Amino acid sequence: AQSVTQLGSHVSVSEGALVLLRCNYSSSVPPYLFWYVQYPNQGLQLLLKYTSAATLVKGINGFEAEFKKSETSFHLTKPSAHMSDAAEYFCAVTQRGGYGGSQGNLIFGKGTKLSVKP
Amino acid sequence: KAGVTQTPRYLIKTRGQQVTLSCSPISGHRSVSWYQQTPGQGLQFLFEYFSETQRNKGNFPGRFSGRQFSNSRSEMNVSTLELGDSALYLCASSPRQGMNTEAFFGQGTRLTVV
Repeated sequence: AQSVTQLGSHVSVSEGALVLLRCNYSSSVPPYLFWYVQYPNQGLQLLLKYTSAATLVKGINGFEAEFKKSETSFHLTKPSAHMSDAAEYFCAVTQRGGYGGSQGNLIFGKGTKLSVKP
Repeated sequence: KAGVTQTPRYLIKTRGQQVTLSCSPISGHRSVSWYQQTPGQGLQFLFEYFSETQRNKGNFPGRFSGRQFSNSRSEMNVSTLELGDSALYLCASSPRQGMNTEAFFGQGTRLTVV
């Protein structure tokens, strides 16, 4: 069975500091991995996704994540935090389908709330 | 291109009542999935519909049901509401069945059961 663990339910950084949100996955088959962001009272917005091309994936708003198979990790980083980055971030996994797409539903981690201090 | 539209945005219901939530997918998307988000359980998959058929189902009681229409619009229904059903219900659409690499989420319907 697939699962996702996000270390740290709350992370606080100062504006301009490095953002690092941790995600570890468990999957018996090669996974697809995603990071979503959720602002208060909003739905989920896709930040980036890993679908087996480059292991370093660049997303929107300056975020990127690196797929490390040996560590079963897909941590999200941003070099310099901005006040507008304050939100909740979700890591998700799904498995690959035979036709090259994904298969099954998205399995989400519990989320990490990011606070950015001025 | 319009995004995924969920209506209503907010809903207050009484225990024991039933509720119907609506989701209009992105034009051309034929798959609709539903997720429940609560502070305690996080984001949990409810079901996926494709071509008017339920293709995948999460671990929820039979009080939770859904359907999809020929225009790909989907509704989910919760009968005999319980306090624990209070949640944000999110709908996601994608071009093909299980194509989560191209899934887009709506803003959700916030259901409060009192």
